[in-house]
Amino acid sequence: RKEVEQDPGPFNVPEGATVAFNCTYSNSASQSFFWYRQDCRKEPKLLMSVYSSGNEDGRFTAQLNRASQYISLLIRDSKLSDSATYLCVVNIRGGTSYGELTFGQGTILTVHP
Amino acid sequence: DGGITQSPKYLFRKEGQNVTLSCEQNLNHDAMYWYRQDPGQGLRLIYYSQIVNDFQKGDIAEGYSVSREKKESFPLTVTSAQKNPTAFYLCASSMRGYEQYFGPGTRLTVT
Repeated sequence: RKEVEQDPGPFNVPEGATVAFNCTYSNSASQSFFWYRQDCRKEPKLLMSVYSSGNEDGRFTAQLNRASQYISLLIRDSKLSDSATYLCVVNIRGGTSYGELTFGQGTILTVHP
Repeated sequence: DGGITQSPKYLFRKEGQNVTLSCEQNLNHDAMYWYRQDPGQGLRLIYYSQIVNDFQKGDIAEGYSVSREKKESFPLTVTSAQKNPTAFYLCASSMRGYEQYFGPGTRLTVT
């Protein structure tokens, strides 16, 4: 089993649609969770951190389910500019290890007119 | 402007040559990291450094070397011992325990 696992997609959705991605992680002791966005041939950029109580930033909502060991990202009212690869990132070794993060393979999202 | 810079953006080398990739940050971050990304794959950690003059191997350190003589700088050398060096190399930095921020990356092609 991979330490951080995502459905690679691609997800093809029309503008205005709601789309959700899930990501599972292997270590129940993991404490830090993030979603990053990566555009084609560019560096990953932090989209949002994922907090235990869930958090929202505009059209984006992130949730953590510790019991089932997964995090999710919901995008509402999709825009063409949301087209990118979304990376699930976990501090897989848990504890307070110094920023060591494990990256999922990424989920490709394409939003079409 | 605060941020992380990597140079060059594109680099071409012949097989058997060592090459050094530059990474500089002015964010006053303690930790710095080097990753490698291959097409269609996730990022894999090569080396990381939590403090000046100290660094640790990541998951795929073989064929690479690093130094951390200054807080702002963390250069990566891809040696001739690295079997498949062609890849997209990303440098990142973070404060302790916080999210990482990435530079724009260097695309290395070895022929």
